[in-house]
Amino acid sequence: GESVGLHLPTLSVQEGDNSIINCAYSNSASDYFIWYKQESGKGPQFIIDIRSNMDKRQGQRVTVLLNKTVKHLSLQIAATQPGDSAVYFCAESGTSYGKLTFGQGTILTVHP
Amino acid sequence: EAQVTQNPRYLITVTGKKLTVTCSQNMNHEYMSWYRQDPGLGLRQIYYSMNVEVTDKGDVPEGYKVSRKEKRNFPLILESPSPNQTSLYFCASSGGTRGYGYTFGSGTRLTVV
Repeated sequence: GESVGLHLPTLSVQEGDNSIINCAYSNSASDYFIWYKQESGKGPQFIIDIRSNMDKRQGQRVTVLLNKTVKHLSLQIAATQPGDSAVYFCAESGTSYGKLTFGQGTILTVHP
Repeated sequence: EAQVTQNPRYLITVTGKKLTVTCSQNMNHEYMSWYRQDPGLGLRQIYYSMNVEVTDKGDVPEGYKVSRKEKRNFPLILESPSPNQTSLYFCASSGGTRGYGYTFGSGTRLTVV
């Protein structure tokens, strides 16, 4: 597979545990945030998004939390499964439509 | 099947030889974008387009050109490739504003020697 990152933060969990992946963003003008999952050899896959007028959004087994005060975003994955093993990226968008800036990513490894 | 298609998947070329990486989407999306992904640097946006004939620079546009003559296609052009453009490239498209839910292609691994 493709090497998508060196020296990325890593998170190792046991199957069935809950996982929390964190992301700090720097642009206070950003008002739209997305989490992506990237498996080895594939392009990023959309997981969940949140707009700045919200502080929490839930999907299937995933929850995104946004704290604008400290410019922090987190992705919570419930009952983590081996298939969740991947690199997870947060991305932010501001006032310039179409411009999307990605964070560096976190490697999640789920052990059976 | 709704998808973003990039070609080629792998490409090895020599310095200075012009090349084009094609990108096509079948979802009638307005927004399209190109990224490069390098170890330790994550995904960085090269160019994006908000509609036909509307393009704008991303964070790392130097050495690249794009065009958007048709809604479905957004080719990436390297007029004079250099070794520092060796990278993994992704095309993406979205139907919403502000990069909403971009769908990514499978990537193009480019090596410039």
